[in-house]
Amino acid sequence: GAVVSQHPSWVICKSGTSVKIECRSLDFQATTMFWYRQFPKQSLMLMATSNEGSKATYEQGVEKDKFLINHASLTLSTLTVTSAHPEDSSFYICSARGSYGYTFGSGTRLTVV
Amino acid sequence: DQQVKQNSPSLSVQEGRISILNCDYTNSMFDYFLWYKKYPAEGPTFLISISSIKDKNEDGRFTVFLNKSAKHLSLHIVPSQPGDSAVYFCAASSFQGAQKLVFGQGTRLTINP
Repeated sequence: GAVVSQHPSWVICKSGTSVKIECRSLDFQATTMFWYRQFPKQSLMLMATSNEGSKATYEQGVEKDKFLINHASLTLSTLTVTSAHPEDSSFYICSARGSYGYTFGSGTRLTVV
Repeated sequence: DQQVKQNSPSLSVQEGRISILNCDYTNSMFDYFLWYKKYPAEGPTFLISISSIKDKNEDGRFTVFLNKSAKHLSLHIVPSQPGDSAVYFCAASSFQGAQKLVFGQGTRLTINP
């Protein structure tokens, strides 16, 4: 089956620093990657959609300069949270769409202190 | 605007009985629906899906029913097992456009022995 590897699984960073989260599709090519964030006891909220080799499309209210998304290849997408602040603390999840449908990564718990 | 709604935040069912999780949607453009199971600090795991050309899809203990006129879908789990205890999310998408998934708020299912 399709597998998406997401790293790191958790990260603690100081306020003002940047954090990069990686998602790799291990055995399939992901033409489209989606990035979600989930606050405690809430739904998964789509942040942005990225297609390989093109700019990401951000959902309303998501700052594209703060959440940088790169989808340089069909197997790798990265989300960089720039100048992180405590309110950015959340659970971030990627999802890749391939021929199997949608496959989710295991998520990254980001804590900004 | 919550396009996908799960109005029951929690559900408790006795082991061996049927669990019924409900989901409503408002966007008539949605034509593909999925159910995911999620544990804390993990990514969602796909359970079952249904396209709008069908009104029922069955996979083992899991059955999804779709009522397009009511914009309602439900997930039936029978018989319920303790390992089914988790948060269940319904999600909707459209085969047109970006095909991004829109999630409901989730329902926490607890199976009691």
